Amino acid sequence: AQSVTQLDSQVPVFEEAPVELRCNYSSSVSVYLFWYVQYPNQGLQLLLKYLSGSTLVESINGFEAEFNKSQTSFHLRKPSVHISDTAEYFCAVSLQGGSEKLVFGKGTKLTVNP
Amino acid sequence: DTEVTQTPKHLVMGMTNKKSLKCEQHMGHRAMYWYKQKAKKPPELMFVYSYEKLSINESVPSRFSPECPNSSLLNLHLHALQPEDSALYLCASSLHSQGWEQYFGPGTRLTVT
Repeated sequence: AQSVTQLDSQVPVFEEAPVELRCNYSSSVSVYLFWYVQYPNQGLQLLLKYLSGSTLVESINGFEAEFNKSQTSFHLRKPSVHISDTAEYFCAVSLQGGSEKLVFGKGTKLTVNP
Repeated sequence: DTEVTQTPKHLVMGMTNKKSLKCEQHMGHRAMYWYKQKAKKPPELMFVYSYEKLSINESVPSRFSPECPNSSLLNLHLHALQPEDSALYLCASSLHSQGWEQYFGPGTRLTVT
């Protein structure tokens, strides 16, 4: 069975600083990878996804993530964060070609301070 | 349009009440999901419907009863709930059930008194 580890439960940063949220996964077969963001009192929003192709994927609001198969990682990065990026971030995986389940990590709370 | 809608936004119910949560999507997705999310935790999968048929029930107590009347609509019927069932209930949909990205609704905040 696959699993997802988000190494940091909380990440505090100052506004305009760079940030990296780490995600590692474990699976014996190929996976699809996702990052979701959840703002307070809201549902989850798909931030970006890796299905195939280029290992570097980008979102419209400046986040990017790189799929590293050898290190089984899919870390999320942003070069300069804003106060509005404060939210809970979930990394998730699903099995290619076989699973109806999305397996989530435990989440990382990003807090951007002025 | 990547919107999944859920009603109501908030629900307070007693342990003897019967209520229903509703979820709707018009993206032509053929898979729909119910999740339960407790505070500061990731969503936990409850049910999966694929082409309007229940394909996964994650050993959810029978006091939760899902229904998929058509490909756009998903209901969750609630009866005799316990206070520990208080949570955010999230609906999601995806084009198909295997490996596709899921789009989530805003959730229903349920409080059982």
